[in-house]
Amino acid sequence: NSKVIQTPRYLVKGQGQKAKMRCIPEKGHPVVFWYQQNKNNEFKFLINFQNQEVLQQIDMTEKRFSAECPSNSPCSLEIQSSEAGDSALYLCASSLKSYEQYFGPGTRLTVL
Amino acid sequence: GQQVQQSPASLVLQEGENAELQCNFSTSLNSMQWFYQRPGGSLVSLFYNPSGTKHSGRLTSTTVIKERRSSLHISSSQTTDSGTYLCALGGGADRLTFGKGTQLIIQP
Repeated sequence: NSKVIQTPRYLVKGQGQKAKMRCIPEKGHPVVFWYQQNKNNEFKFLINFQNQEVLQQIDMTEKRFSAECPSNSPCSLEIQSSEAGDSALYLCASSLKSYEQYFGPGTRLTVL
Repeated sequence: GQQVQQSPASLVLQEGENAELQCNFSTSLNSMQWFYQRPGGSLVSLFYNPSGTKHSGRLTSTTVIKERRSSLHISSSQTTDSGTYLCALGGGADRLTFGKGTQLIIQP
Protein backbone atom coordinates (compact mmCIF):
# COMPACT_ATOMS: atom_id res chain seq x y z
CA ASN A 1 0.00 0.00 0.00
CA SER A 2 1.17 3.48 -0.88
CA LYS A 3 2.34 5.79 1.88
CA VAL A 4 2.28 8.94 -0.22
CA ILE A 5 0.32 11.65 1.60
CA GLN A 6 -1.48 14.46 -0.18
CA THR A 7 -3.26 17.43 1.34
CA PRO A 8 -5.82 18.79 1.09
CA ARG A 9 -8.06 16.13 -0.43
CA TYR A 10 -10.43 18.77 -1.79
CA LEU A 11 -9.74 22.35 -2.77
CA VAL A 12 -12.21 24.94 -4.06
CA LYS A 13 -10.98 28.20 -5.53
CA GLY A 14 -12.33 31.09 -7.54
CA GLN A 15 -10.88 31.99 -10.91
CA GLY A 16 -7.71 33.99 -10.53
CA GLN A 17 -6.99 32.68 -7.04
CA LYS A 18 -3.89 30.76 -6.06
CA ALA A 19 -4.33 27.05 -5.40
CA LYS A 20 -1.70 25.18 -3.43
CA MET A 21 -1.47 21.48 -2.71
CA ARG A 22 1.11 19.42 -0.88
CA CYS A 23 2.63 15.97 -1.07
CA ILE A 24 4.80 13.95 1.28
CA PRO A 25 6.49 11.17 -0.71
CA GLU A 26 7.25 7.75 0.66
CA LYS A 27 10.25 7.81 2.94
CA GLY A 28 13.46 7.20 1.02
CA HIS A 29 11.97 7.86 -2.42
CA PRO A 30 14.12 10.44 -4.21
CA VAL A 31 11.87 10.95 -7.24
CA VAL A 32 8.53 12.80 -7.00
CA PHE A 33 5.99 13.34 -9.76
CA TRP A 34 2.88 15.46 -10.23
CA TYR A 35 0.17 14.41 -12.67
CA GLN A 36 -3.18 15.95 -13.57
CA GLN A 37 -6.24 13.81 -14.36
CA ASN A 38 -8.97 15.83 -16.07
CA LYS A 39 -12.71 15.27 -16.18
CA ASN A 40 -12.26 13.05 -19.25
CA ASN A 41 -9.99 10.82 -17.14
CA GLU A 42 -6.96 11.78 -19.22
CA PHE A 43 -3.65 11.96 -17.41
CA LYS A 44 -1.10 14.67 -17.98
CA PHE A 45 2.41 14.66 -16.57
CA LEU A 46 3.23 18.04 -15.01
CA ILE A 47 6.66 17.92 -13.39
CA ASN A 48 9.06 15.62 -11.61
CA PHE A 49 11.87 16.11 -9.13
CA GLN A 50 14.83 14.13 -8.00
CA ASN A 51 16.26 15.16 -4.66
CA GLN A 52 14.76 18.65 -4.82
CA GLU A 53 15.92 19.30 -8.41
CA VAL A 54 13.49 19.54 -11.31
CA LEU A 55 14.04 16.73 -13.81
CA GLN A 56 11.36 17.54 -16.38
CA GLN A 57 8.33 19.78 -16.66
CA ILE A 58 5.87 20.62 -19.37
CA ASP A 59 5.44 24.11 -20.80
CA MET A 60 2.19 24.78 -18.95
CA THR A 61 3.79 23.97 -15.62
CA GLU A 62 6.70 26.26 -16.29
CA LYS A 63 4.44 29.18 -17.14
CA ARG A 64 1.57 28.90 -14.70
CA PHE A 65 2.59 26.61 -11.88
CA SER A 66 5.07 26.94 -9.08
CA ALA A 67 6.42 23.67 -7.71
CA GLU A 68 9.12 22.71 -5.30
CA CYS A 69 10.36 19.76 -3.29
CA PRO A 70 12.55 21.14 -0.46
CA SER A 71 14.46 18.77 1.75
CA ASN A 72 12.73 17.93 5.04
CA SER A 73 9.49 19.63 3.94
CA PRO A 74 6.49 18.53 1.88
CA CYS A 75 6.62 18.97 -1.86
CA SER A 76 4.14 21.51 -3.18
CA LEU A 77 2.38 22.42 -6.39
CA GLU A 78 0.78 25.84 -6.70
CA ILE A 79 -1.28 27.27 -9.51
CA GLN A 80 -0.56 30.98 -9.59
CA SER A 81 -3.88 32.09 -11.09
CA SER A 82 -6.51 29.36 -11.27
CA GLU A 83 -8.59 28.88 -14.41
CA ALA A 84 -11.75 26.84 -14.87
CA GLY A 85 -9.80 24.38 -16.99
CA ASP A 86 -7.54 23.62 -14.03
CA SER A 87 -10.38 21.77 -12.30
CA ALA A 88 -9.02 18.25 -12.05
CA LEU A 89 -7.56 15.60 -9.78
CA TYR A 90 -3.91 16.30 -9.00
CA LEU A 91 -1.94 13.19 -8.21
CA CYS A 92 1.46 13.00 -6.58
CA ALA A 93 3.64 9.92 -6.96
CA SER A 94 7.04 8.90 -5.70
CA SER A 95 9.50 6.20 -6.63
CA LEU A 96 12.92 4.77 -6.17
CA LYS A 97 14.68 5.49 -9.44
CA SER A 98 14.29 2.13 -11.10
CA TYR A 99 11.04 0.80 -9.80
CA GLU A 100 7.33 1.42 -9.73
CA GLN A 101 5.67 4.69 -8.90
CA TYR A 102 3.39 4.89 -5.88
CA PHE A 103 0.54 7.35 -5.86
CA GLY A 104 -1.15 9.39 -3.18
CA PRO A 105 -4.94 9.79 -2.93
CA GLY A 106 -4.91 13.03 -4.90
CA THR A 107 -6.18 16.57 -4.41
CA ARG A 108 -9.42 17.31 -6.24
CA LEU A 109 -9.40 20.95 -7.31
CA THR A 110 -12.57 22.74 -8.32
CA VAL A 111 -12.23 26.19 -9.82
CA LEU A 112 -15.53 28.08 -9.75
CA GLY B 1 -0.79 9.35 -32.09
CA GLN B 2 -1.78 7.63 -28.91
CA GLN B 3 1.16 5.84 -27.32
CA VAL B 4 -0.88 3.61 -25.03
CA GLN B 5 -4.06 1.91 -26.17
CA GLN B 6 -6.21 -0.10 -23.81
CA SER B 7 -8.94 -2.53 -24.71
CA PRO B 8 -11.70 -3.08 -24.18
CA ALA B 9 -12.89 0.36 -23.06
CA SER B 10 -15.48 -1.34 -20.88
CA LEU B 11 -16.22 -4.91 -19.84
CA VAL B 12 -19.22 -6.36 -18.05
CA LEU B 13 -18.93 -9.83 -16.55
CA GLN B 14 -20.77 -12.06 -14.16
CA GLU B 15 -19.12 -12.82 -10.84
CA GLY B 16 -16.83 -15.82 -11.18
CA GLU B 17 -15.91 -15.18 -14.81
CA ASN B 18 -12.37 -14.35 -15.88
CA ALA B 19 -11.38 -10.93 -17.22
CA GLU B 20 -8.69 -10.21 -19.79
CA LEU B 21 -7.51 -6.63 -20.25
CA GLN B 22 -5.10 -5.57 -22.96
CA CYS B 23 -2.60 -2.78 -23.32
CA ASN B 24 -0.71 -2.01 -26.55
CA PHE B 25 2.14 0.43 -26.90
CA SER B 26 3.12 2.30 -30.07
CA THR B 27 6.68 2.92 -28.88
CA SER B 28 9.41 0.70 -27.52
CA LEU B 29 8.76 -0.60 -24.07
CA ASN B 30 11.24 -0.09 -21.25
CA SER B 31 8.87 -0.47 -18.35
CA MET B 32 5.20 -0.35 -17.60
CA GLN B 33 2.75 -0.48 -14.72
CA TRP B 34 -0.83 -1.64 -14.18
CA PHE B 35 -3.03 0.32 -11.79
CA TYR B 36 -6.47 0.04 -10.29
CA GLN B 37 -8.20 3.37 -9.77
CA ARG B 38 -10.63 3.51 -6.89
CA PRO B 39 -13.90 5.42 -7.34
CA GLY B 40 -12.50 8.26 -5.21
CA GLY B 41 -9.58 8.60 -7.60
CA SER B 42 -6.59 7.09 -5.80
CA LEU B 43 -4.37 4.79 -7.86
CA VAL B 44 -3.31 1.42 -6.53
CA SER B 45 -0.25 -0.09 -8.17
CA LEU B 46 -1.02 -3.66 -9.23
CA PHE B 47 2.12 -4.58 -11.15
CA TYR B 48 5.38 -3.09 -12.24
CA ASN B 49 6.07 -5.42 -15.12
CA PRO B 50 8.74 -4.50 -17.68
CA SER B 51 8.76 -8.03 -19.08
CA GLY B 52 7.53 -11.54 -18.49
CA THR B 53 4.75 -12.78 -16.26
CA LYS B 54 3.96 -11.79 -12.71
CA HIS B 55 1.31 -13.10 -10.35
CA SER B 56 -0.47 -11.59 -7.37
CA GLY B 57 -3.36 -13.56 -5.96
CA ARG B 58 -6.03 -13.76 -8.67
CA LEU B 59 -4.18 -11.28 -10.88
CA THR B 60 -1.64 -12.12 -13.57
CA SER B 61 0.25 -9.65 -15.73
CA THR B 62 2.12 -10.67 -18.87
CA THR B 63 4.30 -8.26 -20.81
CA VAL B 64 5.79 -9.17 -24.19
CA ILE B 65 8.39 -6.57 -25.05
CA LYS B 66 8.95 -7.41 -28.73
CA GLU B 67 5.20 -7.30 -29.36
CA ARG B 68 4.82 -4.09 -27.36
CA ARG B 69 1.90 -5.33 -25.35
CA SER B 70 0.87 -6.24 -21.85
CA SER B 71 -2.17 -8.02 -20.49
CA LEU B 72 -3.88 -8.21 -17.13
CA HIS B 73 -5.84 -11.34 -16.30
CA ILE B 74 -8.26 -11.47 -13.40
CA SER B 75 -9.45 -14.94 -12.52
CA SER B 76 -12.69 -15.77 -10.74
CA SER B 77 -13.82 -12.15 -10.72
CA GLN B 78 -15.59 -10.67 -7.71
CA THR B 79 -17.90 -7.67 -7.44
CA THR B 80 -15.17 -5.85 -5.52
CA ASP B 81 -12.96 -6.04 -8.63
CA SER B 82 -15.23 -3.50 -10.31
CA GLY B 83 -13.54 -0.24 -11.18
CA THR B 84 -11.12 1.29 -13.65
CA TYR B 85 -7.93 -0.47 -14.66
CA LEU B 86 -5.15 1.60 -16.16
CA CYS B 87 -1.91 0.68 -17.83
CA ALA B 88 0.94 3.12 -18.20
CA LEU B 89 4.16 3.18 -20.16
CA GLY B 90 7.25 4.18 -18.21
CA GLY B 91 8.06 4.09 -14.54
CA GLY B 92 10.94 4.58 -12.15
CA ALA B 93 12.32 8.05 -12.73
CA ASP B 94 10.55 8.38 -16.11
CA ARG B 95 7.13 9.94 -16.49
CA LEU B 96 4.20 7.59 -16.96
CA THR B 97 2.06 7.79 -20.09
CA PHE B 98 -1.36 6.41 -19.30
CA GLY B 99 -3.95 4.66 -21.41
CA LYS B 100 -7.59 5.68 -21.18
CA GLY B 101 -8.47 2.75 -18.97
CA THR B 102 -10.82 -0.20 -18.96
CA GLN B 103 -14.01 0.18 -16.95
CA LEU B 104 -14.71 -3.23 -15.42
CA ILE B 105 -18.13 -4.05 -14.03
CA ILE B 106 -18.66 -7.34 -12.22
CA GLN B 107 -22.29 -8.19 -11.70
CA PRO B 108 -23.40 -10.46 -8.83
